[in-house]
Amino acid sequence: DSGVTQTPKHLITATGQRVTLRCSPRSGDLSVYWYQQSLDQGLQFLIQYYNGEERAKGNILERFSAQQFPDLHSELNLSSLELGDSALYFCASSVGSGGPTDTQYFGPGTRLTVL
Amino acid sequence: GNSVTQMEGPVTLSEEAFLTINCTYTATGYPSLFWYVQYPGEGLQLLLKATKADDKGSNKGFEATYRKETTSFHLEKGSVQVSDSAVYFCALRDSGGGADGLTFGKGTHLIIQP
Repeated sequence: DSGVTQTPKHLITATGQRVTLRCSPRSGDLSVYWYQQSLDQGLQFLIQYYNGEERAKGNILERFSAQQFPDLHSELNLSSLELGDSALYFCASSVGSGGPTDTQYFGPGTRLTVL
Repeated sequence: GNSVTQMEGPVTLSEEAFLTINCTYTATGYPSLFWYVQYPGEGLQLLLKATKADDKGSNKGFEATYRKETTSFHLEKGSVQVSDSAVYFCALRDSGGGADGLTFGKGTHLIIQP
């Protein structure tokens, strides 16, 4: 158990809908990262928040957004969902804002299925 | 841009065999290198890491050495067990600025037969 929690574990929805994925980082960690794992794209970095502020952006679509709240939990919002958004979404957390010794610890993931 | 290349497999070995999973990378800066493991139905677990050239990361009998001259970080284990069956991901984080997320390889599916 990494100490990172994600809810829900599974989510099934329809095209065009909007969903929210939730992540709670390990105690003491200030950074939260979101990743998407799909069969065709593999594991891709989406976005990072550090202490409530956006820190870095990866391959995140404009239909997707995230935020980190004062209690440091984070939410990833996915809107206008398409079939291709079906994937495993992982959250990771780390103590600092980045750097060579700032290890990321991953949650168990949320499996999103868009029908 | 940054990229990681690793054999995708599946790689099938017998128990107690020697394991090597190759990983090479390209990076714009001076990256840190990682191996993560994903067991069926679970998230990714950090297996080992190395932050500078010639560093050797090790954990649970697995080892990998950061080779800057060959831009490689191959994973090795002397004697694998059935419980090592999983998907192994090589990853890097570039210290050269920009996005601070990990760049992953496609993953190598390892199957150990008794």
